[in-house]
Amino acid sequence: DIQMTQSPSTVSASVGDRVTITCRASQGIYSWLAWYQQKPGKAPDLLIYGASNLQSGVPSRFSGSGSGTDFTLTISNLQPEDSATYYCQKANSFPFTFGQGTRLVIK
Amino acid sequence: QVQLQESGPGLVKPSQTLSLTCTVSGYSITSGFYWGWIRQPPGKGLEWIGSIFHSGNTYYNPSLQSRVTISLDTSKNQISLRLTSVTAADTALYHCARQSASTNWFDPWGQGTLVTVSS
Repeated sequence: DIQMTQSPSTVSASVGDRVTITCRASQGIYSWLAWYQQKPGKAPDLLIYGASNLQSGVPSRFSGSGSGTDFTLTISNLQPEDSATYYCQKANSFPFTFGQGTRLVIK
Repeated sequence: QVQLQESGPGLVKPSQTLSLTCTVSGYSITSGFYWGWIRQPPGKGLEWIGSIFHSGNTYYNPSLQSRVTISLDTSKNQISLRLTSVTAADTALYHCARQSASTNWFDPWGQGTLVTVSS
């Protein structure tokens, strides 16, 4: 099965900063990747699908890129409400594996 | 607006069967999407359990396949999850979610229901 590895596991940044989170697949998955945001006590929300397509209603400071095995989620102009854990998910075929998550802490 | 709500016992004894229900409102579960179950052990990441298509076709995580059954109750617009022979490792927040049949992302999700496996 394809494994998904995120880095870093925790990132700390200040309001207004730019942050990049990486997700690596153990085999190529083309652009079949989604990113989710999960705030404490809440269900995950879909942020980006198809590696780079912004889900409706998601602020434009979120962006995704990559294909094959290497993907990035970039958050520009960090806001306090961006404090959350972010997960990637492979979507090319079963099983639908998630990365282990990256916790974003706003200083 | 599609909404999903999980329900079921919050405590299950080891070796017994975990049974959960996901009630969908605002959308018919027979209208062409997959419906998935995903779990999250306390303080840990997300694990896909399995998905069911509106036709009834199912796909399970190989690590759980021997113990999992997902089914539909179209009369009640519900999706069910059964997990047999549970252990403490099955303690988790269990989410259901709608899954696009063509693109496989999960949206939206239910809030989840916490199941603790303990005697």
